[in-house]
Amino acid sequence: KAGVTQTPRYLIKTRGQQVTLSCSPISGHRSVSWYQQTPGQGLQFLFEYFSETQRNKGNFPGRFSGRQFSNSRSEMNVSTLELGDSALYLCASTSDPGGISPLHFGNGTRLTVT
Amino acid sequence: AQSVTQLGSHVSVSEGALVLLRCNYSSSVPPYLFWYVQYPNQGLQLLLKYTSAATLVKGINGFEAEFKKSETSFHLTKPSAHMSDAAEYFCAVSDPGGGFKTIFGAGTRLFVKA
Repeated sequence: KAGVTQTPRYLIKTRGQQVTLSCSPISGHRSVSWYQQTPGQGLQFLFEYFSETQRNKGNFPGRFSGRQFSNSRSEMNVSTLELGDSALYLCASTSDPGGISPLHFGNGTRLTVT
Repeated sequence: AQSVTQLGSHVSVSEGALVLLRCNYSSSVPPYLFWYVQYPNQGLQLLLKYTSAATLVKGINGFEAEFKKSETSFHLTKPSAHMSDAAEYFCAVSDPGGGFKTIFGAGTRLFVKA
């Protein structure tokens, strides 16, 4: 069974630009969560999608948005990039969000904003 | 709200020594608890999970963790460290009533000395 796939692996953007990151979950997993990982803040929850519906959102500004498609693939978008958005963005899928089943993570997208 | 505290952002042990990584959670109801490991430039991988079936949980790579409700702790141990155990370890908690998200501790980086 293929794991969670995130593309691209690396991105370099300039302040003010926008970026879209992609995530393909494990087949059969309908829940996709996104996390931002930085050295200072650790893993911060961004949002969770299930069957194309956002069910929970973390404490991030509106510049951070996401969506999920009918095949469970998900994208997140960050508009008007700031230097502080530089981070590793991790996507995770599960069959049972907030419950007994663990999260399965992709290898992440490393975003650098200059 | 759920929270997870990992004591010690860095732990250093000698090869062959005991590994002990500490984790405390805050919850009035025992949640589901997990330990994940992250190697450089990779996503997180599940080491083990507690789901109330047994208080001593065995995971991959010789790791185990003991759930102690009275201490709200879920410490991770391994009897004998190996160089390949050097990585960052995250304790995490999910709560069925917690909005479909998993909360992570700040992480503990394990160094193994030869």
